[in-house]
Amino acid sequence: DAGVTQSPTHLIKTRGQHVTLRCSPISGHKSVSWYQQVLGQGPQFIFQYYEKEERGRGNFPDRFSARQFPNYSSELNVNALLLGDSALYLCASSPGLAGGNEQFFGPGTRLTVL
Amino acid sequence: GQNIDQPTEMTATEGAIVQINCTYQTSGFNGLFWYQQHAGEAPTFLSYNVLDGLEEKGRFSSFLSRSKGYSYLLLKELQMKDSASYLCAVRDPRNNQGGKLIFGQGTELSVKP
Repeated sequence: DAGVTQSPTHLIKTRGQHVTLRCSPISGHKSVSWYQQVLGQGPQFIFQYYEKEERGRGNFPDRFSARQFPNYSSELNVNALLLGDSALYLCASSPGLAGGNEQFFGPGTRLTVL
Repeated sequence: GQNIDQPTEMTATEGAIVQINCTYQTSGFNGLFWYQQHAGEAPTFLSYNVLDGLEEKGRFSSFLSRSKGYSYLLLKELQMKDSASYLCAVRDPRNNQGGKLIFGQGTELSVKP
């Protein structure tokens, strides 16, 4: 079975541009969570989507937005990029059931903002 | 507030045992996770504790004390490939779908020959 997939693997943008990152969860998983990981730090929660609805939002500005599609894949959008947005963006997939264990992470998208 | 604390760095010798501690102060509790992350890669799941006690899985064990807000990851028979960052994370109980994890900064473990 395929695990969580993310695209692209790497991305280089300049300040002010926007970016769209994509994630496909494990088959049968209905929940997708997005995290930002800056070098040397643990991942920081950005969003969770379950059944196409936003179910949680972290402490990130409105430049960050996301959505989930009927097939449970998800996109993370970041507008007006800043240098500080350079990070590894991780997508995590889970069944979405309260009390269930494990979130499975995708390989991540390495975003560099110049 | 939510706070997860773990040591920044640890060094151990190949073949030895190492214990990585994690303390947390959170509003409620709904499970604690340990992940391993090699440089430039995604975190991979190691263990999950929701009840007090020790969970053993091969060379890795994880312990939880909810009353003390404390967990540790125990790695036995260390191998060079165990050199990685180890992330402690607590699930936010306010998130009904269990999809929000609060991570510590990670413990960078270096295994020496």
